Amino acid sequence: SQTIHQWPATLVQPVGSPLSLECTVEGTSNPNLYWYRQAAGRGLQLLFYSVGIGQISSEVPQNLSASRPQDRQFILSSKKLLLSDSGFYLCAWTRIETQYFGPGTRLLVL
Amino acid sequence: AQSVTQLDSQVPVFEEAPVELRCNYSSSVSVYLFWYVQYPNQGLQLLLKYLSGSTLVKGINGFEAEFNKSQTSFHLRKPSVHISDTAEYFCAVSVVIKAAGNKLTFGGGTRVLVKP
Repeated sequence: SQTIHQWPATLVQPVGSPLSLECTVEGTSNPNLYWYRQAAGRGLQLLFYSVGIGQISSEVPQNLSASRPQDRQFILSSKKLLLSDSGFYLCAWTRIETQYFGPGTRLLVL
Repeated sequence: AQSVTQLDSQVPVFEEAPVELRCNYSSSVSVYLFWYVQYPNQGLQLLLKYLSGSTLVKGINGFEAEFNKSQTSFHLRKPSVHISDTAEYFCAVSVVIKAAGNKLTFGGGTRVLVKP
């Protein structure tokens, strides 16, 4: 069966520091992968998606970037965090038409 | 473009009472419809989905939803809730795009608080 992992579960970072969040999927190959952010009172926002290694599409301009160095690994990064980057970050993968979500990473930028 | 409206941001309900969460969507093309549940500090869990066929869809934990194409709605129901159903519920639609897989558009969420 397929499982999706996110690391770390919780992160507290100072403004201006770098960020790296990792998402890995097991039990499938060549999945479509997605990064979402859930900010307080703002619902779920799609940030990036990837249909293959090295292929990244950005949905909204922002302070973040994504990379897919391996088939089942999706990384969300920032060079300098802003206060507004705080939120709950969710990774998802697609099985045919359905998206399945990871456990999420809670990021607090102080 | 698609949009999803969840008409109730919060729904308080007593234990063992029925609950209905409303979801309306707009789209110029055919969509797939989903309901997800999010328990505190957790990711989203798929409750049920409508892809095609019967308009009444049954999901996990006793939930069901009915797709109404003419009213562009996909309301979620449960005949008798438990304390453990306290969570946030998200309605979502997707369109399959060949070059991008399926992209989900979410509603704003409905918080369900089940009271004893």
